[in-house]
This record gives sequence, C-alpha cells and structure tokens, in this order.
Amino acid sequence: DQQVKQNSPSLSVQEGRISILNCDYTNSMFDYFLWYKKYPAEGPTFLISISSIKDKNEDGRFTVFLNKSAKHLSLHIVPSQPGDSAVYFCAASFSGNTPLVFGKGTRLSVIA
Amino acid sequence: DAGVIQSPRHEVTEMGQEVTLRCKPISGHNSLFWYRQTMMRGLELLIYFNNNVPIDDSGMPEDRFSAKMPNASFSTLKIQPSEPRDSAVYFCASSPGQGADTEAFFGQGTRLTVV
Repeated sequence: DQQVKQNSPSLSVQEGRISILNCDYTNSMFDYFLWYKKYPAEGPTFLISISSIKDKNEDGRFTVFLNKSAKHLSLHIVPSQPGDSAVYFCAASFSGNTPLVFGKGTRLSVIA
Repeated sequence: DAGVIQSPRHEVTEMGQEVTLRCKPISGHNSLFWYRQTMMRGLELLIYFNNNVPIDDSGMPEDRFSAKMPNASFSTLKIQPSEPRDSAVYFCASSPGQGADTEAFFGQGTRLTVV
C-alpha cells in the first residue's frame, strides 16, 4: 500500500499563475518531507524540503506547506514558468537518513 | 563533483539474459539506494546500503535480483535471468549518511528494455 500518495497524475497551469501540487501520507512517523523535480531522461533532482517541526518552508518561487494533523503537504510555485514543466515527486522519510518513500508523481505542464 | 554516475544509460537485452547495472556514488556519501521507476508503481526502493552494508533489501522483487557494494565507490544491481516485466528505469542515489536530514542525490538512470 502506498504510504505517500499523489492523487493527481497531471496538472496544467497558465504561465504566471500559481501551481499547487498536493501530497498525502499515511504514516504519522514520517518527519522529513521533500519535493523532487524530474525532467525526461534525467534523474530526480531535489527541490525543497520541510521538517515536521515546521509548517512552511519557502525558497524563492517555491513554498512547501505541511499540515501534520491532516497528513498533507503541498508545493506552491508562484509564478509558474514554462521551465517548471516536469514531473514532481513528493517524498518522505523518518529521521536518521532512512530511505525516501516516494509518491507516484504529478506531471506539471505550464502553458505559455 | 560529477554527481552520481550510472552506466549504461540504456540497455536492451533479450529475455533470459543477465543484466548488470552500475553505479558510482558521490565521494564521501555513506548511503546508497537503488530505485526502480515504472508507470504503475512510480519510484520504488529496491535496496539500500549504509557504509557498503546492505540494510534493507525487502524491495527486491525476486531472487533474480541481486545487488552488491564491494567498496564505497561502486555498486551493482544484477538481474539474472531478465524478464520483459523488468523493463523500467533504474536509478541509483546516494546521500551523506545517517543522522542527517538531507536529500538523496540521483544519477541519470539506466533505461532497461527486456525483449
């Protein structure tokens, strides 16, 4: 059973608007969450992370929000750019550098 | 640093043949992970090593799969015999080590096609 779920396989957004990618998890013991971005024919690359002691982390156009009570996190991209078109993976782990557990990914298309 | 290096980038083989995928982690990283990406299951962990020691191989789908890490700078994932359902993209990743909340760094992957 999937411990990390991304229920939207794809998302299309107009350039300049906000992209919101969602992720749910089932294991309340997860305490470190990450978003990865993947272009075709490349490996996933780290984008942004958040520890369970926080509810928000911001890095430029990218903000991750964590709602522990709902076991939900989201990635906001503002403003969206065509170069943001990629597959975004949500991942979670337990403290102590255990392996990342990934969702199935959401394909974001930013339309110019 | 060149990052995580995987070889080959692409592999096409016939069913029943042995396939060996290779990985060189980032120097100084103590943890190494093998993942497989498929449309149905997304990115799933196959096995991971800490300090060259296999810690959890519960994700390895069958006995046909085996992985080794003979030293800190090299790991292999072997499939013998290969089957068409093994067709996927296989990623190797490394991270600095235990006790660190940090990301894993991925290689570019090996796209395996078994015909």
